[in-house]
Amino acid sequence: GENVEQHPSTLSVQEGDSAVIKCTYSDSASNYFPWYKQELGKRPQLIIDIRSNVGEKKDQRIAVTLNKTAKHFSLHITETQPEDSAVYFCAATPGRGTGFQKLVFGTGTRLLVSP
Amino acid sequence: GAVVSQHPSRVICKSGTSVKIECRSLDFQATTMFWYRQFPKQSLMLMATSNEGSKATYEQGVEKDKFLINHASLTLSTLTVTSAHPEDSSFYICSAILGGGGRGKSPLHFGNGTRLTVT
Repeated sequence: GENVEQHPSTLSVQEGDSAVIKCTYSDSASNYFPWYKQELGKRPQLIIDIRSNVGEKKDQRIAVTLNKTAKHFSLHITETQPEDSAVYFCAATPGRGTGFQKLVFGTGTRLLVSP
Repeated sequence: GAVVSQHPSRVICKSGTSVKIECRSLDFQATTMFWYRQFPKQSLMLMATSNEGSKATYEQGVEKDKFLINHASLTLSTLTVTSAHPEDSSFYICSAILGGGGRGKSPLHFGNGTRLTVT
């Protein structure tokens, strides 16, 4: 089945710096890759997603890139702010055999943005 | 936007008792809901896929007789943790797809989660 690896597990940056979180996946049939932000004790919130027919997507300070050949995708946050501090999860859907969104999550990255 | 409501948000129960967690899609119909479990500082692990009107599909290693799932309507799925043990203490989160999924995948919407503590 699908396996998603995520790095780094923790990331500390200064306010205003950029942060990059990387994920790799194993199932070449996966075709949808969302990123979630989870604050302590709260639900994961979708922040951006990308489909396999697109190489890059941007939404204000957040961008995601996808390399299907290498089977990896990355989250880029520019001009980080303290409120960006949270745990970020990447995910992928093993597309083979199902139309449902059975997400497989990465292990998470704890981002800390210091003022 | 689409809202998924989960209840209760916190529950404490004694070993051996059962706990029911509800997951409702408030403004859309969800033929499919998912139940995840998250241990402290760990990722979300899919437990089962709940299908309206049919039996749930459980992930490998998840005991279907211990984690009973019922999806009796298009807006409600329930997870019952039976004969709870301390090791069942975790954060349980449900999610639903707006529109039921299909080939044009839609984002998952998560409930607020239920923190279960078994004493």
